[in-house]
Amino acid sequence: GESVGLHLPTLSVQEGDNSIINCAYSNSASDYFIWYKQESGKGPQFIIDIRSNMDKRQGQRVTVLLNKTVKHLSLQIAATQPGDSAVYFCAENIRGAQKLVFGQGTRLTINP
Amino acid sequence: DTAVSQTPKYLVTQMGNDKSIKCEQNLGHDTMYWYKQDSKKFLKIMFSYNNKELIINETVPNRFSPKSPDKAHLNLHINSLELGDSAVYFCASSHRGYQPQHFGDGTRLSIL
Repeated sequence: GESVGLHLPTLSVQEGDNSIINCAYSNSASDYFIWYKQESGKGPQFIIDIRSNMDKRQGQRVTVLLNKTVKHLSLQIAATQPGDSAVYFCAENIRGAQKLVFGQGTRLTINP
Repeated sequence: DTAVSQTPKYLVTQMGNDKSIKCEQNLGHDTMYWYKQDSKKFLKIMFSYNNKELIINETVPNRFSPKSPDKAHLNLHINSLELGDSAVYFCASSHRGYQPQHFGDGTRLSIL
């Protein structure tokens, strides 16, 4: 197996359960947030995004919650499936900086 | 019909050599990016180009030189490769504004 990623926070859930992945961001000027999923050997894949004028957005089986008061972002995955196993990243767009700043990443492992 | 494609997927070379990575996107995006992902999965922006114009250069050593011949291509040339350059390099593209970036599958660069 690969040795990279051993320092990543890890979340293990049972197949069929809901998963919640959390992210703290630091810049109060951030106005747009994105969650990405990265599978082994692949690039980050867009999951869902949210603007700072919203506090919740839903997609298919995924929900993003944004709490600007405490600078916290979460990704909820309903009825987790084996294919959801991956590293998940939050990214924040800092207003005026024209760039995304990525969080540390969380490795999600699904137990059968 | 790959959206963002980069070549090569793997690059193994010796210290001191010069190498290039190519990136092409067929999404009609006007902004392209290069990211570096280290062994701990930390993903950091290096450069971004909008309509062939450099808009972000994140204090990357000048051994790294991006080149954008047109809006659909952003290549990365690296001179005098060093051991610390070993990483996975990702190309991405997006429309300007509050739009998610779409990533290629990465180029794993290993320096011997």
